[in-house]
Parts: sequence; C-alpha cells; structure tokens
Amino acid sequence: DTGVSQDPRHKITKRGQNVTFRCDPISEHNRLYWYRQTLGQGPEFLTYFQNEAQLEKSRLLSDRFSAERPKGSFSTLEIQRTEQGDSAMYLCASSLAKPEAFFGQGTRLTVV
Amino acid sequence: DQQVKQNSPSLSVQEGRISILNCDYTNSMFDYFLWYKKYPAEGPTFLISISSIKDKNEDGRFTVFLNKSAKHLSLHIVPSQPGDSAVYFCAASTGGYQKVTFGTGTKLQVIP
Repeated sequence: DTGVSQDPRHKITKRGQNVTFRCDPISEHNRLYWYRQTLGQGPEFLTYFQNEAQLEKSRLLSDRFSAERPKGSFSTLEIQRTEQGDSAMYLCASSLAKPEAFFGQGTRLTVV
Repeated sequence: DQQVKQNSPSLSVQEGRISILNCDYTNSMFDYFLWYKKYPAEGPTFLISISSIKDKNEDGRFTVFLNKSAKHLSLHIVPSQPGDSAVYFCAASTGGYQKVTFGTGTKLQVIP
C-alpha cells in the first residue's frame, strides 16, 4: 500500500496524558498537512510542512500541540496534557506541489 | 467564521438522476476550489477541482461549476449511483495552496 499511513488508528487516553501520532506520507510528496475533524464538521487545518519546514500553523494549534517532520519524511503530532476537547479525528494528508491532497484514514483520539 | 459553507447537511436522490451539491464561500481571496468525498471510517478522497480562471470543469460523471460573482460553486453528479453515497466536502484555498479550508459537508444518499 503506497497511500498515506497513520498510526495508531484509535487512541484512548486519560485527561492530562500526552499522546503522539505518526503520519507516513506518500514517499515522493513534499507537502504534509495535519487536520482535525470533529463530529458534523469538515476537516480543520492545523499545520502544514513543506519538506521539513513547518510553514504555517493554525491558531487552533495551542501551545500544547507540536508537530515535527524530521528529514522531510514522516511526521509526528504530539498533544501534551490532553483535554476532553481534544477528542477528535486527526487527519494527515500529503501532496506534491498541488492543493489536491491524499488523506490517511486518520487517528481517532478519545480523551476520558 | 465559516468561510466555506455547505448549507444542506443531507441530500437524497434516486439512482440515475442528477445530484447537485452546493457550496458558498465568503473569502474573495480563494482562487482554487476542490471537492472531496468521504466514506465512513476512511479519510477524504479528492474528487475534482476548479481554478478561479474557469467556470466549469468536468471529469466523467462529475462536473463542478463556479460562479465567482455569487461566490458559489456546485458539484453535479450525473447519473447518480448508489456507490456515490458518501459525505461530500467543498474546500477552497488561496494562491500558494498552503491551507485548504473545508465546508461542513453534505451527506448524499443515492437510493437504488
């Protein structure tokens, strides 16, 4: 399978714990995006990488959120001190110099 | 501030008939528009796009129309098939394509 891969698919965590998600984009894609989707809403932009550089961050991305893309390959999204409001589907997407992006299946986070 | 609006949360259409999904936007800086389709438990899949220099783009059974003066676009599916049943998201971006803003989605049900 050469699509966008996200791990884990599901994560249940207690409030206050830290969680980290991983995204493996399509190998030749230089652009990588993170989105968050809650029930009844469309995906909301969180952050964007071109190669290893994080070029844009949404104001939705509070100080508890951090994303990295070392060496311009896979990316990680970490949420520190999780809150119940962080419960959502976290989607990763990649593209090659185009706005049309390929999405992974997402990581569903539940904070209890 | 919802810059991309899909005012119809759901739509039911008979198989073989035309499905028309509508989308309005408020940001006049948007110059590229996309439609994504999403099945349950999967990430969104790119369907079709249109640049603001065009008013129509066609790909098989799918046609997107753009009315810049009205800040409105629509997706036509002809003929509709049961496999088209999914949630459809309208999305828009500005030059540079770094951030894509999604609408809230319209759930299409094609009845056999």
